[in-house]
Amino acid sequence: GDSVTQMEGPVTLSEEAFLTINCTYTATGYPSLFWYVQYPGEGLQLLLKATKADDKGSNKGFEATYRKETTSFHLEKGSVQVSDSAVYFCALMETGFQKLVFGTGTRLLVSP
Amino acid sequence: DGGITQSPKYLFRKEGQNVTLSCEQNLNHDAMYWYRQDPGQGLRLIYYSQIVNDFQKGDIAEGYSVSREKKESFPLTVTSAQKNPTAFYLCASSIGGQSREAFFGQGTRLTVV
Repeated sequence: GDSVTQMEGPVTLSEEAFLTINCTYTATGYPSLFWYVQYPGEGLQLLLKATKADDKGSNKGFEATYRKETTSFHLEKGSVQVSDSAVYFCALMETGFQKLVFGTGTRLLVSP
Repeated sequence: DGGITQSPKYLFRKEGQNVTLSCEQNLNHDAMYWYRQDPGQGLRLIYYSQIVNDFQKGDIAEGYSVSREKKESFPLTVTSAQKNPTAFYLCASSIGGQSREAFFGQGTRLTVV
């Protein structure tokens, strides 16, 4: 079945550093791709999405580009803040079955 | 306000007891999902439903049951057959369609005592 692989965490950065969290996927069709964020003790919130190849999703300074040739959807932010500390999940929506498949999550810790 | 409501936020259960987790949405979404979250394992799909009166098993359905009698509601029962039920449970809904994102509730933390 379809699957998502994320880089292991935690990722530890200082405030204003550049962030990259890698995400690659395996899918038989042409899935939609998502990044979700989870703050402690809460549910997941959609951060951004891309629905077809070469689409770029962006929100709150975060960006990710749907790369079909490398089956990747890496999350980037130019300057992180302490408030960005959270767990980030990459996910895909399977073609046809409408099943949302998640990666294992990457914890980001930003220090002042 | 529209959204997904999970209740209760914290739940304690004695071994051998069944327990039902509530999930209600007023977003008029067709699709609903239940996920289990354990530390270091991300989210694993338990059951999902794309329409009323129909649902499918996810990757870890053993020891769980669901019903979808109303569009707004998708309760999850954790039965005594679930060997390790202590976890954080998340419910989500989606309007359906591949490009549509899912919206999540705040989760229920179940602890077996």
